[in-house]
Amino acid sequence: QLQLQASGPGAVKPSETLSLTCSVSGGSIYGSYYYWAWIRQPPGRGLEWIGSIFYSGNTYYNPSLKSRVTISVDTSKNQFSLRLNSVTAADTAVYYCARRMPSDRAFDIWGQGTMVTVSS
Amino acid sequence: SYEVTQPLSVSVPLGQTARITCGGNKIGGKNVHWYQQKPGQAPVMVIYRDKNRPSGIPERFSGSNSGNTATLTISGAQAGDEADYFCQVWDSITVVFGGGTKLTVL
Repeated sequence: QLQLQASGPGAVKPSETLSLTCSVSGGSIYGSYYYWAWIRQPPGRGLEWIGSIFYSGNTYYNPSLKSRVTISVDTSKNQFSLRLNSVTAADTAVYYCARRMPSDRAFDIWGQGTMVTVSS
Repeated sequence: SYEVTQPLSVSVPLGQTARITCGGNKIGGKNVHWYQQKPGQAPVMVIYRDKNRPSGIPERFSGSNSGNTATLTISGAQAGDEADYFCQVWDSITVVFGGGTKLTVL
């Protein structure tokens, strides 16, 4: 069964870069028809889509974050990654990685999430 | 940008039917997906493409979508259904989530 596991530092200083990796097990990113996504949730608030990537490297980003976000994929490691530049306290959130269904565009499998706190 | 609106909270007596709405301009023309999130857990998809249940989701979860409102219906609500529920649509090339509805089972 496909599983996703997000990992990375739990704390980042303001103005620095947040970097997370999502490891995929039980299935291959390469050649699949799925997109792979990052979604975040500030404490006590709703979900915010950050962006999605295809195994070929094709990406879509949330316009509100596009200037600060880079999502990349490493098919040899079966991983995809998130970089968010110039972070502020507003970027404090649980960050989830998820798989997006190809035609329905729904997120059918989610990782457990990793909490990232932006603080000096 | 497209926006979807959910009520902040919905309450339902145990065993009764809960209805959670997701409003948006001509949302009936979009595919709506629903997620359940329990405290401290990742969201779980309970309905996709308006009315389809993924494998493992109980039959008491159903969905509909028409006009300006999509609805998630939970028939015979159980204590274990108490959670936050989020709707989601795709607009142009971006993903839009509703703000979420907290379901309380009384």
